[in-house]
Amino acid sequence: QSVLTQPPSVSGAPGQRVTISCTGSSSNIGAGYDVHWYQHLPGTAPKLLIYDNNNRPSGVPDRFSGSKSGTSASLAITGLQAEDEADYYCQSSDSSRRGVFGGGTKVTVL
Amino acid sequence: QVQLQESGPGLVKPSQTLSLTCSVSGGSISSGGHYWTWIRQFSGKGLEWIGYIYDSGSTYYNPSLKSRVTISADTSKNQFSLKLTSVTAADTAVYYCAREERRAFDFWGQGTMVTVSS
Repeated sequence: QSVLTQPPSVSGAPGQRVTISCTGSSSNIGAGYDVHWYQHLPGTAPKLLIYDNNNRPSGVPDRFSGSKSGTSASLAITGLQAEDEADYYCQSSDSSRRGVFGGGTKVTVL
Repeated sequence: QVQLQESGPGLVKPSQTLSLTCSVSGGSISSGGHYWTWIRQFSGKGLEWIGYIYDSGSTYYNPSLKSRVTISADTSKNQFSLKLTSVTAADTAVYYCAREERRAFDFWGQGTMVTVSS
């Protein structure tokens, strides 16, 4: 059971917008800890996609955006492309300074 | 560009000790400001934070694993290592090493599958 809750899957047609929710609690996201998002293709190294709730590392397309409110956060992908098909994970921290993760969401491009 | 690479046995017998090493290139683990971390992923996709080492010696572990985990560093080789004792089938997972900066993991290794089985 993951500490953060994500939907198991979302899907969309090319060009559409999809969002992935990440729900935590007052011990992690709600306590003010930042949320980070990762894109993962099986067999490869996970890639940092969004850090500190809504910041993109260099090289990440602006089609990816993040937001945070209260005990939840979300990742939005606009202009969905075939290459976006992957697993996406949210991550935050808790008061004991350990990392906590969501269970992952598989994005399928129809 | 920082690169990390995990190495170690892919099969460990129950009750034995799992030992993995993470080799880092493109950056020094002793340069400060970063936390060198181990994370594992179970077959159901869930990710679990194991712990980290920083300042080449200070460590912090997931409380749920604390009694079985040791993370150490060899700065001369620019490597850090994970030891997990008394393993069971529940420790079967893909193990990743990663660099943490300001609580986000900005660089990861590709992961290494470890199976606990007799």
